[in-house]
Amino acid sequence: KAGVTQTPRYLIKTRGQQVTLSCSPISGHRSVSWYQQTPGQGLQFLFEYFSETQRNKGNFPGRFSGRQFSNSRSEMNVSTLELGDSALYLCASSRASANYGYTFGSGTRLTVV
Amino acid sequence: SQELEQSPQSLIVQEGKNLTINCTSSKTLYGLYWYKQKYGEGLIFLMMLQKGGEEKSHEKITAKLDEKKQQSSLHITASQPSHAGIYLCGADDNNDMRFGAGTRLTVKP
Repeated sequence: KAGVTQTPRYLIKTRGQQVTLSCSPISGHRSVSWYQQTPGQGLQFLFEYFSETQRNKGNFPGRFSGRQFSNSRSEMNVSTLELGDSALYLCASSRASANYGYTFGSGTRLTVV
Repeated sequence: SQELEQSPQSLIVQEGKNLTINCTSSKTLYGLYWYKQKYGEGLIFLMMLQKGGEEKSHEKITAKLDEKKQQSSLHITASQPSHAGIYLCGADDNNDMRFGAGTRLTVKP
């Protein structure tokens, strides 16, 4: 079966712009989580969606937002980009919760210049 | 929230040597996951441990969750260059998974 698909793989944006990243979970998985990974901070939890509702949220500013559609696909949006937003953004899907284990996508590498 | 501390932060070993990576939690672990990551890529699931004292093996990698369920170790036997990468432990924390900072493993041929 297909894995978790993230698009695009690479993205270069300018400070002040906004960006939208996409994540298609494994078929049947209803939970989608987003993580930001940087060399300095490691893997940090952004938010988790389940059945189109945000179920949990990490400690990120309001510039970071997300949503989930009825087909479980999820998008993440970052507005007013800052240089510090440059990171690898990973999404992971699960059947219902972390108890079932997460499958990760290959990530979107965002560079803000 | 739950904090996971991994040690060591990085490890360089000669091919064929054994090694151990540790993951210590600030709270009782109800589900401990080990993942491997190649630079700039997604995480690959290795194994999950839930019961105190549980031990699982896959090829040359063995992971164990201690009886008190606050520490896990990952042991690689006879390391190979293909084992190189970043190993991360993750734990279920209120419906989400939090991760340790990772251990970067380099295997010298």
